[in-house]
Amino acid sequence: TQLLEQSPQFLSIQEGENLTVYCNSSSVFSSLQWYRQEPGEGPVLLVTVVTGGEVKKLKRLTFQFGDARKDSSLHITAAQPGDTGLYLCAGPTQGGSEKLVFGKGTKLTVNP
Amino acid sequence: NAGVTQTPKFQVLKTGQSMTLQCAQDMNHEYMSWYRQDPGMGLRLIHYSVGAGITDQGEVPNGYNVSRSTTEDFPLRLLSAAPSQTSVYFCASSRGEGNQPQHFGDGTRLSIL
Repeated sequence: TQLLEQSPQFLSIQEGENLTVYCNSSSVFSSLQWYRQEPGEGPVLLVTVVTGGEVKKLKRLTFQFGDARKDSSLHITAAQPGDTGLYLCAGPTQGGSEKLVFGKGTKLTVNP
Repeated sequence: NAGVTQTPKFQVLKTGQSMTLQCAQDMNHEYMSWYRQDPGMGLRLIHYSVGAGITDQGEVPNGYNVSRSTTEDFPLRLLSAAPSQTSVYFCASSRGEGNQPQHFGDGTRLSIL
C-alpha cells in the first residue's frame, strides 16, 4: 500500500515568516500533486510535479519533487494570512493514474 | 460555471436510515470519485468510476453503494447509516488522462445519530 506522510501536522506562524512542509513516502510516485483546502470548501489543486528534481514556483510558493520521486516539499516565503489552510499532497496509486492516495495534510495558520 | 455540485450540503440521519448523496459535474469528465474526510485521517477513497457504467471500490467501500448511469452524475448511497459514517463527503471529477487536476465539490457534512 502506498502511503504519503506529511509533516508537520500543524503549523502556526506569524505573518512574514517562511515555512516548509514535507510529503514523504517509501514508494516511488510517477507524480505528486499539492492541494490547498480552506474551511467549508473542497481541495483546490496548486501544482503537479512530474519529473524527479523538478522545482515549480507559484508566486511565493515553491514546490520541489525529490530526485528519487519519493518525496516532495512546499516552501512558502513571507507567509500571509491568506495562506492559511490545509495543505494536502496526493499521488497516483499503482492501480490507476487518476486513483489518488492523499496524505493527512498540514494545517497551516498564519497569524497577522 | 458550476464545476462539481454536491447536494445536500448538510444532513442529519438516524442510525439505520438510508440516503443518497448527489454529485453532478458539467465538465464532461470521465473520472469521478467519492472521498470521506475525517479529522486526522485525510481524504480516503470510497468508490470511483472511470466512465459511465463502470464503478470500482476504493479504500473504504463498506456500507456504500454507487452507480454511474450518465457521465454527469455519480450518486453515493448509504444503505443503513451507522455513526461511524459521520464524516464530510467530497465528490471529485477529472478528465481521466493522467496527472490531471481533481475538481472537488464543496462537500456534504453528514451526521449519523
